[in-house]
Amino acid sequence: QVQLVESGGGVVQPGKSLRLSCVASGFTFNIFGMHWVRQAPGKGLEWVAFDGREKSYADSVKGRFVISRDNSKNTFDLQMSSLRAEDTAVYYCARGYYGDFVGIDLWGQGTLVTVSS
Amino acid sequence: EIVLTQSPDTLSLSPGERATLSCRASQSVSSNLLAWFQQKPGQAPRLLIYGASSRASGIPDRFSGSGSATDFTLTITRLEPEDFAVYYCQQYIKSPFTFGQGTKLEIK
Repeated sequence: QVQLVESGGGVVQPGKSLRLSCVASGFTFNIFGMHWVRQAPGKGLEWVAFDGREKSYADSVKGRFVISRDNSKNTFDLQMSSLRAEDTAVYYCARGYYGDFVGIDLWGQGTLVTVSS
Repeated sequence: EIVLTQSPDTLSLSPGERATLSCRASQSVSSNLLAWFQQKPGQAPRLLIYGASSRASGIPDRFSGSGSATDFTLTITRLEPEDFAVYYCQQYIKSPFTFGQGTKLEIK
């Protein structure tokens, strides 16, 4: 079954760190680009980061968030540091396929991160 | 950064009617690398359209995408009750891979 499953969300204090993980199954993970996309409560989708030929980040997270992948374990992680209240969101990992393995064709179910003291 | 502006913010229609949603880009989205997603409450988004006009696998043919360069449209003919949701466009030609702010399609 082709799927992405995120984990690692929870409540964290401002300024602290948290690591999210996404496990892929049912497809050849190492040939696909991978994204993180987030959605604050009641708000729209915000692209966060992409791992393809190069890594790229949204300005809002650059220098604080780092993406990494382990193709041997089919995992794609998001290390978040110096967290702020405005980072509170559901975080989705997503697979890039269309347009040279960038365009999203598959989403995980999401994991909620709440940044609060 | 390519800014995507969707209109209208909210669209109120009845089942059986036709919906036309717009996505305008601040600069040309070359190769039409633009997608449309549908999101229902409490669910992850679902891909509807990629490459501006190609339907994703399993998407009914009442959904169609069109447009090029800076102006794109998602059309839903004969709305079904399950089509009432929020719709987002996204460009994937250039990082940051921005989304539009969304259009909420609600039952009139």
